[in-house]
Amino acid sequence: DGGITQSPKYLFRKEGQNVTLSCEQNLNHDAMYWYRQDPGQGLRLIYYSQIVNDFQKGDIAEGYSVSREKKESFPLTVTSAQKNPTAFYLCASTSGTGNYYEQYFGPGTRLTVT
Amino acid sequence: GQQVMQIPQYQHVQEGEDFTTYCNSSTTLSNIQWYKQRPGGHPVFLIQLVKSGEVKKQKRLTFQFGEAKKNSSLHITATQTTDVGTYFCAGPRSGGGADGLTFGKGTHLIIQP
Repeated sequence: DGGITQSPKYLFRKEGQNVTLSCEQNLNHDAMYWYRQDPGQGLRLIYYSQIVNDFQKGDIAEGYSVSREKKESFPLTVTSAQKNPTAFYLCASTSGTGNYYEQYFGPGTRLTVT
Repeated sequence: GQQVMQIPQYQHVQEGEDFTTYCNSSTTLSNIQWYKQRPGGHPVFLIQLVKSGEVKKQKRLTFQFGEAKKNSSLHITATQTTDVGTYFCAGPRSGGGADGLTFGKGTHLIIQP
């Protein structure tokens, strides 16, 4: 089956630790995205990558880092500099062209930092 | 920056009643997308509207894009328990959407049987 996988589903970390969230897709999509969702809120864009070895900051990039060494993979690191890291993290990809960029989302990782 | 606002935040309906959520952007959009997120799940793409005044239907769901391409609505006729979830509208941050989307905060649909 084609799709996006994120692991783990739940992640617990102590404050001050960096943590890396995995995102893999086998849809052959060029563009990938990381969003953050807080309870009762919409999704906010953290980082995105339109092509391998290139990525751009989204609206809330502070305290996060990413890499895009392979087309299939777009891991997100939540660093200790992120002030409020506890959230639901969603990875997405799209094969969009022109004016059509529907996003396919993975199942998400719920990160809790205490 | 661009803002996308949705109302209402919560909507309680009896099963069988209609439901509508409204979306308003601070800027003109090249397109608008709608997503549904079931409780505990991830957003799933429903539809994209591109043309001014466009109306699209999917069974009991009707989507509209305003003439000025700054607002949109989703209407569900005769709600069913399977419609429970949060409905989000989203507009492209720039261009068609390659740079990602700006989402509204969503409308939570709660259905009482």
